[in-house]
Amino acid sequence: GQQVMQIPQYQHVQEGEDFTTYCNSSTTLSNIQWYKQRPGGHPVFLIQLVKSGEVKKQKRLTFQFGEAKKNSSLHITATQTTDVGTYFCAGPHGTNFGNEKLTFGTGTRLTIIP
Amino acid sequence: DTEVTQTPKHLVMGMTNKKSLKCEQHMGHRAMYWYKQKAKKPPELMFVYSYEKLSINESVPSRFSPECPNSSLLNLHLHALQPEDSALYLCASKTGQITGELFFGEGSRLTVL
Repeated sequence: GQQVMQIPQYQHVQEGEDFTTYCNSSTTLSNIQWYKQRPGGHPVFLIQLVKSGEVKKQKRLTFQFGEAKKNSSLHITATQTTDVGTYFCAGPHGTNFGNEKLTFGTGTRLTIIP
Repeated sequence: DTEVTQTPKHLVMGMTNKKSLKCEQHMGHRAMYWYKQKAKKPPELMFVYSYEKLSINESVPSRFSPECPNSSLLNLHLHALQPEDSALYLCASKTGQITGELFFGEGSRLTVL
């Protein structure tokens, strides 16, 4: 079945440093989504990328979808303590009655050293 | 604040108990999901309901029984669970479109003794 891997598994950064997480799928994706889960919280949607090579920005966050639509990245510039959490990519695999089976990546846990 | 409401937030049950988890959304979404999340792991899909019909069952053991009484409500009935079923159970919803974001509830943290 489809596998979605993320690296690194953990990342500890000093506040103000940049952070990047990489997402790789074993299959080509029609789209990819990113979610953030704060410690003790639930996943919250950040963004969806659809086009090959697409780049989207949200303030300090930059999201990229690979040309082959099998990989994606999330880059955070000048991290802040509010960025703490686990970042998941998620890609659809198969549809059933018009609904996607969204498979979550393994996640990257970001901790910030003040 | 989430627009998907899950109750209870915490549940402790024995292996012989029967309990239910409840999920409610009033966003008019037509697809509702149950995910299971173990500590430090990604959410794993369990069930999907589309227009109140079960459309996806990811080979979940029969001790988990989903129910969708109407388009706003989703239940997960639990019976004869095992300690390894202890996890965070997340409900999510989205519009009836094929693509689109999932809106998650805060989850029900289940402990099976």
